[in-house]
Amino acid sequence: QKEVEQNSGPLSVPEGAIASLNCTYSDRGSQSFFWYRQYSGKSPELIMSIYSNGDKEDGRFTAQLNKASQYVSLLIRDSQPSDSATYLCAVNLISGGYNKLIFGAGTRLAVHP
Amino acid sequence: DGGITQSPKYLFRKEGQNVTLSCEQNLNHDAMYWYRQDPGQGLRLIYYSQIVNDFQKGDIAEGYSVSREKKESFPLTVTSAQKNPTAFYLCASSILGYNQPQHFGDGTRLSIL
Repeated sequence: QKEVEQNSGPLSVPEGAIASLNCTYSDRGSQSFFWYRQYSGKSPELIMSIYSNGDKEDGRFTAQLNKASQYVSLLIRDSQPSDSATYLCAVNLISGGYNKLIFGAGTRLAVHP
Repeated sequence: DGGITQSPKYLFRKEGQNVTLSCEQNLNHDAMYWYRQDPGQGLRLIYYSQIVNDFQKGDIAEGYSVSREKKESFPLTVTSAQKNPTAFYLCASSILGYNQPQHFGDGTRLSIL
């Protein structure tokens, strides 16, 4: 089983709609969860972090965390064509006293006008 | 401006050649990381370091080497033992701590001549 799983997509949504991106993880000890946006040919950019169960909102973005279900999601409201990118879910893993981030393969989002 | 600088942006390697990718940060971060990204895939951890003169192997360290002689610098050498080096290489840094996100440089794209 992969440690962090995401649907590869593409997820296609019309402009103005809500895009919902999902991620599951395998390590019940994980405490920190991050969403990165990566445009084609560019490096990942941090857009959200979440540490507690529930919702965290930042502008058009809402991250949702459910540790019991080992599930984290990202909602993008009023989607814009500029949101078209690959979204990477990252989860921390503590191994041998060292903290690492494990990344999912990413979900490609396409917002069409 | 604080940030992470990777150079060069593009690099070509001949058969049997070692090449070194540079990563410098002025964010005063203790932790630094190297990732490899292949098309359509997530980030895979090559090496990481949490303190000067100490570094740990990640999931795909074979064929790579690193050094951490200064806090600001974490160069990656792709050796001739790495038979499939063509990929997008990303350097990241973070403050120490399980809840700290990683921030990325712009990446180096390595190809075989």
